[in-house]
Amino acid sequence: LAKTTQPISMDSYEGQEVNITCSHNNIATNDYITWYQQFPSQGPRFIIQGYKTKVTNEVASLFIPADRKSSTLSLPRVSLSDTAVYYCLVAVYSSASKIIFGSGTRLSIRP
Amino acid sequence: IAGITQAPTSQILAAGRRMTLRCTQDMRHNAMYWYRQDLGLGLRLIHYSNTAGTTGKGEVPDGYSVSRANTDDFPLTLASAVPSQTSVYFCASSDSLAGETNEQFFGPGTRLTVL
Repeated sequence: LAKTTQPISMDSYEGQEVNITCSHNNIATNDYITWYQQFPSQGPRFIIQGYKTKVTNEVASLFIPADRKSSTLSLPRVSLSDTAVYYCLVAVYSSASKIIFGSGTRLSIRP
Repeated sequence: IAGITQAPTSQILAAGRRMTLRCTQDMRHNAMYWYRQDLGLGLRLIHYSNTAGTTGKGEVPDGYSVSRANTDDFPLTLASAVPSQTSVYFCASSDSLAGETNEQFFGPGTRLTVL
């Protein structure tokens, strides 16, 4: 099973770019990398997903090196509302039994 | 459009009692999931369903059962609750289990306390 390792917590300030790195050394060929955001007392919300290289959407970018053993979620110009827990997830979705959320990174944004 | 609804919002349950957590989605998603999230920790997959009529075990299935009689509903049953099942339970759904993308949509959660 491809487990993930993330920093437990990170702090930043409004307007800064935040990069959260996730290690997944045992990633399998068919695994995709997905990031979720979770606010207190809410279910997680999908942010971005990728397989290799770079993926960008309206809220974030995901950088995946060629060996795919790590990935970096990049949040441009964060605001206070980006304070949340961010989960990196590695899974091949045809095998749901292998979906594993890590402990996540608690991101705190300060004014 | 409601998305995913869960009931009850919260429940306090005596140990040994039977409890069914309800989950309904109106997005016609094929796949559905049940997770538990213990205080300060990440989510762990309990059971999942690829499509109506099929179910599978996740990372922590013991003490739980599920059924998928139709596309919309995916109830989770605790046959005889124990205090270690105190947790927040999230139901989720996705358009398909296979394929290149698998965005899961989560419900608001059920906070369960077993005494």
